Amino acid sequence: DADVTQTPRNRITKTGKRIMLECSQTKGHDRMYWYRQDPGLGLRLIYYSFDVKDINKGEISDGYSVSRQAQAKFSLSLESAIPNQTALYFCATSVRGRYNEQFFGPGTRLTVL
Amino acid sequence: TQLLEQSPQFLSIQEGENLTVYCNSSSVFSSLQWYRQEPGEGPVLLVTVVTGGEVKKLKRLTFQFGDARKDSSLHITAAQTGDTGLYLCAGADNYGQNFVFGPGTRLSVLP
Repeated sequence: DADVTQTPRNRITKTGKRIMLECSQTKGHDRMYWYRQDPGLGLRLIYYSFDVKDINKGEISDGYSVSRQAQAKFSLSLESAIPNQTALYFCATSVRGRYNEQFFGPGTRLTVL
Repeated sequence: TQLLEQSPQFLSIQEGENLTVYCNSSSVFSSLQWYRQEPGEGPVLLVTVVTGGEVKKLKRLTFQFGDARKDSSLHITAAQTGDTGLYLCAGADNYGQNFVFGPGTRLSVLP
């Protein structure tokens, strides 16, 4: 079984709809992250959480919110989706430490029409 | 804000050739990582380098961290079609809290 899972894997929605992307991990890591990937722009950090009670904004948090329901679960919400939020979204985990090596889920391809 | 640049952006070579891709910054990093991402999948960690001047080898891949810990290179010897993918570098500061990815080098190895 995969250590980091994301649901759904693909989603097509319409402008203005509320969308939730979910991430679960069995690695026992305390740190979790949400990234979006756009062609030519690499991975950009949306939100990150170092433990259940810690939530931090990343580089591009506007239009997004997150919830850390448990150590193993971290969800990303788009309150009112817009077309420029069409992208690949990745969840990642890491263990506490100075190297912050990241372990990624398989990604969610989101299309906002 | 720490930024990482990668070059080249795209690289297409024949199987058996050697290649080097680069990751550069004006900032100093406590560690630098290389990931490979294949289509439809998330990035997978290849290596972490932490000491200036460090060289690490992973089969046909050689990773080097610059002496000043601002840049890194990835050299692939005798490339194979299975090396095709997006190569991403990522840097972390001393506490691992500021973590940034470069835009990636997309490598195509042709048979």
